[in-house]
Amino acid sequence: IAGITQAPTSQILAAGRRMTLRCTQDMRHNAMYWYRQDLGLGLRLIHYSNTAGTTGKGEVPDGYSVSRANTDDFPLTLASAVPSQTSVYFCASSEAEGTDTQYFGPGTRLTVL
Amino acid sequence: GQNIDQPTEMTATEGAIVQINCTYQTSGFNGLFWYQQHAGEAPTFLSYNVLDGLEEKGRFSSFLSRSKGYSYLLLKELQMKDSASYLCAVTDSNYQLIWGAGTKLIIKP
Repeated sequence: IAGITQAPTSQILAAGRRMTLRCTQDMRHNAMYWYRQDLGLGLRLIHYSNTAGTTGKGEVPDGYSVSRANTDDFPLTLASAVPSQTSVYFCASSEAEGTDTQYFGPGTRLTVL
Repeated sequence: GQNIDQPTEMTATEGAIVQINCTYQTSGFNGLFWYQQHAGEAPTFLSYNVLDGLEEKGRFSSFLSRSKGYSYLLLKELQMKDSASYLCAVTDSNYQLIWGAGTKLIIKP
């Protein structure tokens, strides 16, 4: 593989269920990010990781958790999904945090009913 | 608060030139990005400006004025495949990227 992959591509989920969105990159980038994108709004940062073993909260972290056990993987977990978490989720990575260009995965379209 | 403003939608004709503006008010400035996003796809990097002036890359150019908190993306010789949303994003003093809502560009034949 080359770049960033995300799984699943799309998912319909009942409210209250737990869900993990997967993200893997093969570029050996240090920094990784999770965004949500909603119609009429800009991309909003959920969580980020500047390097393996560290994570940080973004603009809209409530209801989401992440882990960064290694360089390549950065899963996003919704512990108990709610309808307001219906969105398109993008994972991104950059060589380092800060001013480096971010490269995006294809996205996961999540619907919570 | 931090804010990035872009027009919601613009329409242009194939073969023409279009300028998409972006104004920003952020806590600090460490660079401005433009990304292109086709419907249903991921954003892809177009350009990066950190110093004032014009950066040219083929049919696309991006301009920055830090004193005015202003940037524009200029697209020349428009093609139908340029129909997409164009996202402006600014790196603030904490090195976080702040994103605009994007400008949907519609190209008509």
